[in-house]
Amino acid sequence: DAGVIQSPRHEVTEMGQEVTLRCKPISGHNSLFWYRQTMMRGLELLIYFNNNVPIDDSGMPEDRFSAKMPNASFSTLKIQPSEPRDSAVYFCASQAQGSSYNEQFFGPGTRLTVL
Amino acid sequence: AQSVTQLGSHVSVSEGALVLLRCNYSSSVPPYLFWYVQYPNQGLQLLLKYTTGATLVKGINGFEAEFKKSETSFHLTKPSAHMSDAAEYFCAVSEGSGGYNKLIFGAGTRLAVHP
Repeated sequence: DAGVIQSPRHEVTEMGQEVTLRCKPISGHNSLFWYRQTMMRGLELLIYFNNNVPIDDSGMPEDRFSAKMPNASFSTLKIQPSEPRDSAVYFCASQAQGSSYNEQFFGPGTRLTVL
Repeated sequence: AQSVTQLGSHVSVSEGALVLLRCNYSSSVPPYLFWYVQYPNQGLQLLLKYTTGATLVKGINGFEAEFKKSETSFHLTKPSAHMSDAAEYFCAVSEGSGGYNKLIFGAGTRLAVHP
């Protein structure tokens, strides 16, 4: 299996622009997680899905952020409009169904820079 | 709610020396515990996990961790550090049940290994 796939790997954009990050989870995994990592705040869980349904979005910083999972093999995280403080590495992770002790598998991340 | 505390945001050891990274958790139920490693510019990958059974858990790259319920600890050790062990290490506890669960991560410990 190719693992969790994220695109793009790097994104540089200007303040006010829309940014869309993409994630393809491991086939057969039914839970998907979006994280943000910064030096100041560390690793933060933004939102997670189970069977394509958002379960907990309490970590989404504000309405500028939205996430979707239209099917089991694809998810997007959108920021509109983007701001310099959104600069961070965004990770997607997936997990197999059924048990609290199943590990999460992380993608390589998308490094976002908002100028 | 579960929580994780990693003592020491930075640890520095000499090559060949013992590595000890500390993790304490808070959980109202028997915990599932994880250690992840993040190498520069990469996503997190699982080192090892504790679910049930043997309290000494062996992972990849010579790492191991011991679950001590009385001390609510899950410290990570390696007898002899290698330069390639330089990375950031995250301790995590699983929160939730069944298919609706997420990982609560500690703040991370950055390990430096010097010659």
